[in-house]
Amino acid sequence: GAVVSQHPSRVICKSGTSVKIECRSLDFQATTMFWYRQFPKQSLMLMATSNEGSKATYEQGVEKDKFLINHASLTLSTLTVTSAHPEDSSFYICSASGREPWETQYFGPGTRLLVL
Amino acid sequence: AQSVTQLGSHVSVSEGALVLLRCNYSSSVPPYLFWYVQYPNQGLQLLLKYTTGATLVKGINGFEAEFKKSETSFHLTKPSAHMSDAAEYFCAVRGIGSARQLTFGSGTQLTVLP
Repeated sequence: GAVVSQHPSRVICKSGTSVKIECRSLDFQATTMFWYRQFPKQSLMLMATSNEGSKATYEQGVEKDKFLINHASLTLSTLTVTSAHPEDSSFYICSASGREPWETQYFGPGTRLLVL
Repeated sequence: AQSVTQLGSHVSVSEGALVLLRCNYSSSVPPYLFWYVQYPNQGLQLLLKYTTGATLVKGINGFEAEFKKSETSFHLTKPSAHMSDAAEYFCAVRGIGSARQLTFGSGTQLTVLP
C-alpha cells in the first residue's frame, strides 16, 4: 500500500508556543488529506479535511484559528497548533487519499504532542 | 448521515481460537466499509475494505470480513488467532458522495491469551 509519513513523531513544547506537524504522501498524489485527533483509548476524531490548493474544511467544534491547516501540494499537508495549551496534548494522525471516494485512506504513523 | 457501531470494546480469545469482531453500520447510501488495525503508538493500517462486488473480502494477515446488507453488518473474522494479532481494531464507513470522510467505530481492543 501507499506510504504516508508524519514528522515529528513526538514533540514536547511549552504552553503558548506553536507546533507544526507535517504529513507527506511518499509515493502517490494525495488530493485530499485528513487530520484526526485521538485521545487515549478512544477512537479517531476527524478535525478537518483539506483538499490540495483550497482551504480546509473543519469539523464542528474545531477551532480553525487554533489548528491551522495548509495543503500546498499534492504530497504535503501541515497542521500547526497555535498557542498550544496542555489540553491540546494528544495523538494527531493524518491520512491521505486520492480523488475518488472508493480510494483507501492511508494513515500516517501519528504525532504525539505533549504541551507542558 | 452514517454511523458505525462496534459491539464489544474488549475481546479476548485464546491463541489459535476464532477471532470475531463485530461491526454494524448505518448509512443512507451504499457504503464503502473498512477495517483498520492500530498497534500502540502507531497510525492505522488497512486490513481490508469492501467497495463493490464480492461480499466476502479477504485482507492481510489472514483476516476476512463479509458485507451483509440485510443485516447492515461487516464483521471481521480470522480462523486462528495469533499473539501478534493483539491490537486495537477499528471499523469505518465512508459515503460515496462528495464527503469522503471516514466515520469510525469506537474500536475493539483484541487480547490474545497464550
